[in-house]
Amino acid sequence: EVQLVESGGGLVQPGGSLRLSCTASGFTFSSYWMTWVRQAPGKGLEWVANIKPDGSEKYYVDSVKGRFTISRDNAKNSLSLQLNSLRAEDTAVYYCARIDGTVGSGWFDPWGQGTLVTVSS
Amino acid sequence: AIRMTQSPSSLSASTGDRVTITCRASQGISSNLAWYQQKPGKAPKLLIYAASTLQSGVPSRFSGSGSGTDFTLTISCLQSEDFAIYYCQQYYTYPPTFGPGTKVDIK
Repeated sequence: EVQLVESGGGLVQPGGSLRLSCTASGFTFSSYWMTWVRQAPGKGLEWVANIKPDGSEKYYVDSVKGRFTISRDNAKNSLSLQLNSLRAEDTAVYYCARIDGTVGSGWFDPWGQGTLVTVSS
Repeated sequence: AIRMTQSPSSLSASTGDRVTITCRASQGISSNLAWYQQKPGKAPKLLIYAASTLQSGVPSRFSGSGSGTDFTLTISCLQSEDFAIYYCQQYYTYPPTFGPGTKVDIK
């Protein structure tokens, strides 16, 4: 069974940092582009970042550039998102997902269950 | 960035109804469009990709159509488990963008 499990969310003060992890199983992790998508409470979905299978290409939404870093460890089937300089508007459930389709671009399937990040003093 | 819009933003329907949701892109995206279903407290679930290809395991009452800028998701015979929020997403170009969602609830 293809599965993604996120962890690492929690409560952090504005300006603080957090590292999210996503562990993959049931597929050849090292062959797929991966993504992070977030959803603020009661709001819609917002793409955050993508990473190439070998980690050599990374893309970010403008609002997180310079603050968030996506990375992966193919030996551990693990995807990460380092969140720095956090702001209240970063409060959201963060989902990891596998990207299917054309190289570097495609639809997201499956999704993990999500991990909640709350930025508040 | 390509802006995605959806209409209606919400709708009330009864079990057995035919439901159509529209998604429009601010510029042409060919057929690079996906549809997702999200239930409260759950992660989104892929329903359709490439505008009209049904994801494996998704009931055939779901269908998608369109290309260019205008797309539709149709549920031919609404079931109780279909009450949810539906999002479209373009993957034609970076950044990938989602529509604001359409909430389908019980009349």
